[in-house]
Amino acid sequence: AQSVTQLDSQVPVFEEAPVELRCNYSSSVSVYLFWYVQYPNQGLQLLLKYLSGSTLVKGINGFEAEFNKSQTSFHLRKPSVHISDTAEYFCAVSGISGYALNFGKGTSLLVTP
Amino acid sequence: SAVISQKPSRDICQRGTSLTIQCQVDSQVTMMFWYRQQPGQSLTLIATANQGSEATYESGFVIDKFPISRPNLTFSTLTVSNMSPEDSSIYLCSVGWGGVSDEQFFGPGTRLTVL
Repeated sequence: AQSVTQLDSQVPVFEEAPVELRCNYSSSVSVYLFWYVQYPNQGLQLLLKYLSGSTLVKGINGFEAEFNKSQTSFHLRKPSVHISDTAEYFCAVSGISGYALNFGKGTSLLVTP
Repeated sequence: SAVISQKPSRDICQRGTSLTIQCQVDSQVTMMFWYRQQPGQSLTLIATANQGSEATYESGFVIDKFPISRPNLTFSTLTVSNMSPEDSSIYLCSVGWGGVSDEQFFGPGTRLTVL
């Protein structure tokens, strides 16, 4: 089975500052990795996903993540955040042979002026 | 992509009662999933619902407690039966088109409080 640990429950950051949201996974098999964002009172939206190939994945809204197999990590980064990036961010993992997504507990990103 | 709606958006229920949550998609989808997000916890997959077959439940979830219907390719329901306060959670449906690596699209969730 696969599992995900999001190391920070809350990340406060000032507008236009860079941010990194950390995600580590555990699995005995090859995995797919995802980052989802949930804005207040909305459904989860896919930010980006890693399936194979280049370890640096670019997503929507200027976010990117890097898959590091040796460190079993998939950290999410943005060089300059906006107020509108305030949301809950979820890292998720699935085995390449199964549909079930295993989610982390989420990281609440709070961007202030 | 897909636009997903859920009804109700929130509800407060008495213990021992049942609540049926509806999930409607604006296009035909192969797979529908039901997740639970307990307070302060991760999203946990309850079951996968494919049209024309019985739902497949994850470990720890049973049909008697969470019966699911999938009458067509755009609609599914999840019932939370004989509720207790421990069932207080956000319940989300998501949809996909069958590829393991495909994106799942999520509904806005149903916030359930059981007193």
